[in-house]
Amino acid sequence: AQSVAQPEDQVNVAEGNPLTVKCTYSVSGNPYLFWYVQYPNRGLQFLLKYITGDNLVKGSYGFEAEFNKSQTSFHLKKPSALVSDSALYFCAVRVSLYNTDKLIFGTGTRLQVFP
Amino acid sequence: NAGVTQTPKFRILKIGQSMTLQCTQDMNHNYMYWYRQDPGMGLKLIYYSVGAGITDKGEVPNGYNVSRSTTEDFPLRLELAAPSQTSVYFCASIPRGDNQPQHFGDGTRLSIL
Repeated sequence: AQSVAQPEDQVNVAEGNPLTVKCTYSVSGNPYLFWYVQYPNRGLQFLLKYITGDNLVKGSYGFEAEFNKSQTSFHLKKPSALVSDSALYFCAVRVSLYNTDKLIFGTGTRLQVFP
Repeated sequence: NAGVTQTPKFRILKIGQSMTLQCTQDMNHNYMYWYRQDPGMGLKLIYYSVGAGITDKGEVPNGYNVSRSTTEDFPLRLELAAPSQTSVYFCASIPRGDNQPQHFGDGTRLSIL
């Protein structure tokens, strides 16, 4: 079955420190992977995606993600965290079958950046 | 462009009542989706549509119905509200084409009492 796992419910980081939010996936075929961020009382906003090509993908707000095929991981990273990065982060994998095209989401990781 | 618009933002229902959650997008996207978000559970797909007149069930369709008479609108109907349907509901859309990110509405927070 196609799935996405985010093993950490919450990640705490001090402002200015690097951050990593973990994601692993299980798909058949080539994975199409996404990261979304959700701020309070808002919908999900797209951060970045991996389709093919370079394993390091750069996205919005200084975030990047590293695709690792051997470890089936797609961890989200940022070199220097900001308090304003505090939010809920979702990893997702795209599933395309016949006439369907949908995303399977992980359970989310709450990032808390402390001043 | 307004993107994906959901109404209402908040609603309280009594058990057994019915209501329709509205979703409209002005981006001419073919694919539209309804999710529910429960704490610690991520997003679960309720129904989706790949175009006007075509809908299909997602992971958790029981207790819901949808229709897609136009490209723009994708309403979600609760016929007999139950406490288990208390959740935050999100509508999303993407254009036809490879690997485009989904655009999300701001959600409808629904409580069934």
